[in-house]
Amino acid sequence: DARVTQTPRDKVTEMGQEVTMRCQPILGHNTVFWYRQTMMQGLELLAYFRNRAPLDDSGMPKDRFSAEMPDATLATLKIQPSEPRDSAVYFCASARGAVETQYFGPGTRLLVL
Amino acid sequence: AQSVTQLDSQVPVFEEAPVELRCNYSSSVSVYLFWYVQYPNQGLQLLLKYLSGSTLVKGINGFEAEFNKSQTSFHLRKPSVHISDTAEYFCAVSNSGNTPLVFGKGTRLSVIA
Repeated sequence: DARVTQTPRDKVTEMGQEVTMRCQPILGHNTVFWYRQTMMQGLELLAYFRNRAPLDDSGMPKDRFSAEMPDATLATLKIQPSEPRDSAVYFCASARGAVETQYFGPGTRLLVL
Repeated sequence: AQSVTQLDSQVPVFEEAPVELRCNYSSSVSVYLFWYVQYPNQGLQLLLKYLSGSTLVKGINGFEAEFNKSQTSFHLRKPSVHISDTAEYFCAVSNSGNTPLVFGKGTRLSVIA
């Protein structure tokens, strides 16, 4: 049963610290998405990649957030420096083709104190 | 730009009663429509999707949805709910299966014994 995996599942950090979240997409999926879920904004897109190339990162605060795909099996989302307003659940999702479904990981729950 | 409106933020319903969760969308192009379910502290799981063809779509766990182009709606229904259906339900729209999803704010379904 192929799944998207995310680490860590939970992260508590202090304001100003660097946070790195990792995602392993389903093998063979060439499109990877990062979404953020908050009570106020709901689910919103931060960035997405196809074949490891970034297609849209307009949802990310550029000064502190960065997203990369070092290889086809790993996507990373970094926040430096972190702020309390970054507290949220961050989801990674992957998909294979235009008529396929996006499969979501379990999320990383981030709390910035 | 695409948008999704879920008309009810919370829906309480008694066990074994029918339920309808409402979703309306706006888009200037053809869309794909999705319903996802999120159980507490978990990721999003696909319930069903409409890509083309029959406007009545059947999904997992006894749910179904009907695409109505003239009313730009994609309401989710289940004839008899169970306690285990208690969760948050998200309607989403995209241009294809591997482009970003635009989500509604979600509807919290609470099934009462």
